[in-house]
Amino acid sequence: AQTVTQSQPEMSVQEAETVTLSCTYDTSESDYYLFWYKQPPSRQMILVIRQEAYKQQNATENRFSVNFQKAAKSFSLKISDSQLGDAAMYFCAYWGNAGNMLTFGGGTRLMVKP
Amino acid sequence: DGGITQSPKYLFRKEGQNVTLSCEQNLNHDAMYWYRQDPGQGLRLIYYSQIVNDFQKGDIAEGYSVSREKKESFPLTVTSAQKNPTAFYLCASVDSPNTEAFFGQGTRLTVV
Repeated sequence: AQTVTQSQPEMSVQEAETVTLSCTYDTSESDYYLFWYKQPPSRQMILVIRQEAYKQQNATENRFSVNFQKAAKSFSLKISDSQLGDAAMYFCAYWGNAGNMLTFGGGTRLMVKP
Repeated sequence: DGGITQSPKYLFRKEGQNVTLSCEQNLNHDAMYWYRQDPGQGLRLIYYSQIVNDFQKGDIAEGYSVSREKKESFPLTVTSAQKNPTAFYLCASVDSPNTEAFFGQGTRLTVV
């Protein structure tokens, strides 16, 4: 079974600065997708960014980018120019075509200091 | 507007009772999922269904049951066999092969 690990239960960043959230995963598949989801206090899950494993280029969405290291099975999220609205729980998730299910990490709580 | 709707938002259950959480989607997605979230923790998969009249157990299926009689609906029943049901429950649907998951707003279940 696939596992997703987020080793940072909490992170803190100053407003306008950059922060990186870590995620590692374990899989024997070669074809899969990786995601970062944001869960604000409203608890609504919001997709932040998605990466296809077959793509070498790291995904970017505005202030959010990933560092995808397939050999190391690492998938970190970088948030640039952090804003107060970025404060939330962030979940890393794995989707493998073999299992056809989405597996989540334990989450990282991000706090943004004004 | 297309989306996924969970109801009710808050639910209280007496010990020994079964309760059913509703999940409806009008996105025409084949796959639907139920997750449980405990305070400060990640999402754990309870059950999932990839097609009507078929579903599979996830990591924590004990004490739960589901049905998938219609593509749009995937209700979750929390039975009296679930020893610690107080949690936040999230339903999701996926548009395979795109694989982006869309989530409902969740149901907070409390045992009183």
